Amino acid sequence: NAGVTQTPKFQVLKTGQSMTLQCAQDMNHEYMSWYRQDPGMGLRLIHYSVGAGITDQGEVPNGYNVSRSTTEDFPLRLLSAAPSQTSVYFCASSYSAGGTYEQYFGPGTRLTVT
Amino acid sequence: ILNVEQSPQSLHVQEGDSTNFTCSFPSSNFYALHWYRWETAKSPEALFVMTLNGDEKKKGRISATLNTKEGYSYLYIKGSQPEDSATYLCALENYNQGGKLIFGQGTELSVKP
Repeated sequence: NAGVTQTPKFQVLKTGQSMTLQCAQDMNHEYMSWYRQDPGMGLRLIHYSVGAGITDQGEVPNGYNVSRSTTEDFPLRLLSAAPSQTSVYFCASSYSAGGTYEQYFGPGTRLTVT
Repeated sequence: ILNVEQSPQSLHVQEGDSTNFTCSFPSSNFYALHWYRWETAKSPEALFVMTLNGDEKKKGRISATLNTKEGYSYLYIKGSQPEDSATYLCALENYNQGGKLIFGQGTELSVKP
């Protein structure tokens, strides 16, 4: 199993550009999430999905869109990049193990917006 | 948005020292408390998931306790080693919101040889 994979690993965008961060998992997990990590702020939830076709907003959803057409894939779209979106982005997947949801994280995408 | 607070923000100890840090969370609607270990340039990895008041979990030299009535969890590391250097994150899972975790800001541990 590859686990959770993310592409690209690094990306530089100019303000106003759009792009999609890719996330895929091969563990058949029902839940997938996107987090951003900023210094001193831990991990903040952007969007999450409880299954194919179902998504919901997390703590910091503004400026990001998601969709979940398959169990495996959960792409994150930046509509019009802003310098405030410079961050490290982590995708995670999880499943119910005895009623709780342990998260499996991808390697991260480091995004810089100039 | 619920507040999950961790203290201290950072900790510097000598090899062999034992250490502990705290995660505080609102106790209403509690379902589970997760601890993750996050090494620099890697992804966070799960350490423990605890659900019951009074739960204690152990993995090698690392252990954790949970008090859901007062809303806190402690993580202990006995005899710290340089390879324990990492950021330790706790995350709250609320009832009926499975898969949606609220993370604290983390405690950064540095162990000097």
